[in-house]
Amino acid sequence: EPEVTQTPSHQVTQMGQEVILRCVPISNHLYFYWYRQILGQKVEFLVSFYNNEISEKSEIFDDQFSVERPDGSNFTLKIRSTKLEDSAMYFCASSNRDEQYFGPGTRLTVT
Amino acid sequence: GESVGLHLPTLSVQEGDNSIINCAYSNSASDYFIWYKQESGKGPQFIIDIRSNMDKRQGQRVTVLLNKTVKHLSLQIAATQPGDSAVYFCAEKPLDGSEKLVFGKGMKLTVNP
Repeated sequence: EPEVTQTPSHQVTQMGQEVILRCVPISNHLYFYWYRQILGQKVEFLVSFYNNEISEKSEIFDDQFSVERPDGSNFTLKIRSTKLEDSAMYFCASSNRDEQYFGPGTRLTVT
Repeated sequence: GESVGLHLPTLSVQEGDNSIINCAYSNSASDYFIWYKQESGKGPQFIIDIRSNMDKRQGQRVTVLLNKTVKHLSLQIAATQPGDSAVYFCAEKPLDGSEKLVFGKGMKLTVNP
């Protein structure tokens, strides 16, 4: 069964450093998403991506964040200068219509 | 504003019992609802979905009920098994062209053998 994959599973970085989180969505899906989940809290929407551009973003997704689909398979989330409050689980998801399939997540720890 | 919330933070049941997990939503314009299961260290796993033009939808051992009058969503799990132990989230998609899902806080289900 096709699935969304994410790398790395855990990323530790120092405050102010740049990080890139990587995702491989399900191959025939057209919509891609990033969500995050701070420990013990809700899953929160960050951004959606369709037709090679951002289709929607939340207020969390400020200028420090960017997304890219550099080739036909990868979908990346870049945080330019990490802050302590960026520590969270980051989930990638993909869909063709309503049903969004999530990856296993990347745990980002900012020290 | 839009929000989705869960009535119960934890639920503990005996193996074989039926479980009911409830969720309230506040955005009456929402068109689509999903239940996700999240096991420790994993991403949300799709369980079942329902559109706002339906009241009930059944899957394998799971049933989702939607009451639009009181903006209430529930997930029923029949013959609960230890493997059902997880955190369950309800999520909604507003009918405004948005693709994002709005998640509730989550409820932990523990199934005792």
